[in-house]
Amino acid sequence: EAQVTQNPRYLITVTGKKLTVTCSQNMNHEYMSWYRQDPGLGLRQIYYSMNVEVTDKGDVPEGYKVSRKEKRNFPLILESPSPNQTSLYFCATLTPHYEQYFGPGTRLTVT
Amino acid sequence: RKEVEQDPGPFNVPEGATVAFNCTYSNSASQSFFWYRQDCRKEPKLLMSVYSSGNEDGRFTAQLNRASQYISLLIRDSKLSDSATYLCVVDPGGSQGNLIFGKGTKLSVKP
Repeated sequence: EAQVTQNPRYLITVTGKKLTVTCSQNMNHEYMSWYRQDPGLGLRQIYYSMNVEVTDKGDVPEGYKVSRKEKRNFPLILESPSPNQTSLYFCATLTPHYEQYFGPGTRLTVT
Repeated sequence: RKEVEQDPGPFNVPEGATVAFNCTYSNSASQSFFWYRQDCRKEPKLLMSVYSSGNEDGRFTAQLNRASQYISLLIRDSKLSDSATYLCVVDPGGSQGNLIFGKGTKLSVKP
């Protein structure tokens, strides 16, 4: 089954404690991206990657890092989380026809 | 800068009603257009692509008007299960694959 998986699905953490949200896809898509979704603000892109070892900033990259060492994985790293990074995070891939497939989401709370 | 605009709703309609959503986009060079559906606290899922000639999928009809830069989605014979937020999505072109998401229109279908 074609899918995008994210882990963890729910995370409550404290300010400053480094965390990583993993994302994996089995569709062999070159393009992957991370979004955050907040009430009233919609989906905002954090980072994207057009291929292995190629990453670029989206609209709201501050406070986040990513890496793309292999095609299937695209982890999102928060080196020092802050409460304003409390959000719902989605990883996504893109088909050659520009159709986007999302993971199930990670709900992060930073206290 | 509002690149993709949607009426946030909510649209509250009775079962069986016909409901239409519109979406406007600002970049006349936009290439591809989509409607996504997002259930509460879930990931967005592709509902349908929007083609220049208009397209229909069962009770759903999508139209594109390039001259006026708007996209529409028509839902006929609304079901309770159609209750969700509908996201208008635009590919602005440039081959980077960074889709632009509207903030969504919330639909609530009542018995």
